[in-house]
Amino acid sequence: DTEVTQTPKHLVMGMTNKKSLKCEQHMGHRAMYWYKQKAKKPPELMFVYSYEKLSINESVPSRFSPECPNSSLLNLHLHALQPEDSALYLCASRHDWGRRRTEAFFGQGTRLTVV
Amino acid sequence: SQKIEQNSEALNIQEGKTATLTCNYTNYSPAYLQWYRQDPGRGPVFLLLIRENEKEKRKERLKVTFDTTLKQSLFHITASQPADSATYLCALDRTYGNKLVFGAGTILRVKS
Repeated sequence: DTEVTQTPKHLVMGMTNKKSLKCEQHMGHRAMYWYKQKAKKPPELMFVYSYEKLSINESVPSRFSPECPNSSLLNLHLHALQPEDSALYLCASRHDWGRRRTEAFFGQGTRLTVV
Repeated sequence: SQKIEQNSEALNIQEGKTATLTCNYTNYSPAYLQWYRQDPGRGPVFLLLIRENEKEKRKERLKVTFDTTLKQSLFHITASQPADSATYLCALDRTYGNKLVFGAGTILRVKS
């Protein structure tokens, strides 16, 4: 199984709503990522988890709250978002082998629209 | 500040030709450099990884070079096909930490 599964595929939410994005992988990867991608732009790193601990937060607003409940799951909790937060949210994972780097596997993304 | 730059304009080539894409970086010392392909509305897909002490890597019709002196990587697709049309992203990786940062990407269009 070399898949990263993201749910839902599409999400429309109001600015006062609370919602969550989910990401799951069963490749034994211990590094998991959230990226945000706007149209015609590259993926922009938001958060990195290493062995279920948050290791990188790229100064993301607190209305985005990540969670890694176990080594296979990654969530992104959303609250009080703004229309400019509308984007494709990508989850990725890869092995965390110290100094040795490996390729990242990406999910298909959640297309989020904030109205 | 750190910058990763790729060809800003789309690259249009004829089927059968070699496509060459460029990735330049400044204020960065990556230990690894990776190339990904992304189709519209989908997540990036890994293509090749090259380490700082490797000059060149090949996989089927793909070749990547990494020049840490010039701070540049070149990505080549030989015998290009219309199915190769996509956005190609380079990504930089340091030795420590898990930060994987992407360049802006280059749109490649292969015409038959």
